[in-house]
Amino acid sequence: RKEVEQDPGPFNVPEGATVAFNCTYSNSASQSFFWYRQDCRKEPKLLMSVYSSGNEDGRFTAQLNRASQYISLLIRDSKLSDSATYLCVVSETGSQGNLIFGKGTKLSVKP
Amino acid sequence: NAGVTQTPKFRVLKTGQSMTLLCAQDMNHEYMYWYRQDPGMGLRLIHYSVGEGTTAKGEVPDGYNVSRLKKQNFLLGLESAAPSQTSVYFCASSYLPRGSGGLTDTQYFGPGTRLTVL
Repeated sequence: RKEVEQDPGPFNVPEGATVAFNCTYSNSASQSFFWYRQDCRKEPKLLMSVYSSGNEDGRFTAQLNRASQYISLLIRDSKLSDSATYLCVVSETGSQGNLIFGKGTKLSVKP
Repeated sequence: NAGVTQTPKFRVLKTGQSMTLLCAQDMNHEYMYWYRQDPGMGLRLIHYSVGEGTTAKGEVPDGYNVSRLKKQNFLLGLESAAPSQTSVYFCASSYLPRGSGGLTDTQYFGPGTRLTVL
C-alpha cells in the first residue's frame, strides 16, 4: 500500500507560537499534494494545495521537496482556532483522482 | 449550494442488518468517493465513481456495495452489517482531474455518517 506518514502529535503550543508539521510519502510519481484540516467530529476540509515552488496563504506556508518526497506545513502566530488535526494528502498515480490520506497530526493551541 | 450532504447522520445497526447510506452533491461533480475513518487508521477509500453509471473498488471494498444511478447521488450499501464496519463514513466529490499528468482536483467532503454495529 502506498503510504503517507505523519507525526501523530499531539503538538501542544501556546498562542502566537510557530509550529511546523512534516509529512513523507512513498510514491515518487505522485503529482498532487494537499493539506486538509479536520476539526473534531467534523469532515476534512481543504486547507491548501501544495505546489513545487512552495506557497503561502496568510499565516500558513506549505513546502514540497520532490527529491526527498517530503511535504511541510508551517503555521505562524498560532491562534486558538487553529486547533485541529492536519492531514497530509497525496494523489495516487494514474488519473482517477484518488487521494491517499495521512493519519493526521493533532495540534492543540493553548491560551 | 448545499455542497455534499449525507443521510443519515447517525445509525445503530444489529449484526446482519442491512442499510444504505446516501450521498448527494449539487456541484455537478463527476467523481464521487466513499471513505471510512477509524481511530488510528486515517481515511480509507471504500469505493469510488468516475461518472454516472460507473463504480470501482478502493482500498477496503469488502462488505460494501455502491451504485451511481444519477450523477448527483452515490449510494453505499451494507448487505449484512458486521461490528468491524462500525466507523465514520464520509462521502466526497470532485471535478475531473485536470490534464494528463495525473493532477488531482480538490475533494469536498460531506459531514459524515456515524455508524455503530452491535
